Amino acid sequence: QSMLTQPPSASGTPGQRVTISCSGSNSNIGSNGVHWYQQFPGTAPKLLMYNYNQRPSGVPARFSGSKSGTSASLAISGLQSEDEADYYCAAWDDSLNGRVFGGGTKVTVL
Amino acid sequence: EVQLVESGGGLVQPGGSLRLSCAASGFTFSDYSMNWVRQAPGKGLEWVSYITSSSGTIYYADSVKGRFTISRDNAKNSLYLQMNSLRDEDAAIYYCARGYYYDSCDFWGQGTLVTVSS
Repeated sequence: QSMLTQPPSASGTPGQRVTISCSGSNSNIGSNGVHWYQQFPGTAPKLLMYNYNQRPSGVPARFSGSKSGTSASLAISGLQSEDEADYYCAAWDDSLNGRVFGGGTKVTVL
Repeated sequence: EVQLVESGGGLVQPGGSLRLSCAASGFTFSDYSMNWVRQAPGKGLEWVSYITSSSGTIYYADSVKGRFTISRDNAKNSLYLQMNSLRDEDAAIYYCARGYYYDSCDFWGQGTLVTVSS
């Protein structure tokens, strides 16, 4: 069972804004950085966002992140067909002394 | 170019053992913490284990504690995962991933598949 809760799916048409939520607790999101990973079928995950709103080099600016208390969100503005993928949130959990992932959200471009 | 290449996966019977390796190149391996993360077929990501750059701190997921051992050899630029007493639920693609800011993982290998079946 995932310690972080994400919706299983999200969708939008090209150009729309899509938001994915990630709900945790005081021991993970509430006290540590939240990170987002993008994964295409059959490939390894890719770091998309770290410390809730920091984009690694090469990640398009249409991806943005936010955090409030024990929840975080990833937004994709100007949705493109190549954004169709699975997205996972993650954070370190101080009570577990381990990393926890969300169950993943499949983004579909209609 | 940063590269992480896992190896050692394969078919093993329940109760058996397997040792995974991750060969790192393109960066100073001894400067970075490392992780193992797994993904069962059709499922989400599950963190397995973490090791600091000097091996001074090690953590495991409860699901593998006491059965798996993470280690590294900085002289060989290699990360390892010794897996003992394997169970059906350990079947997954195992990725090694480099530690980055705020406990994120910035580079991932392509993964090695572990199948547990009699």
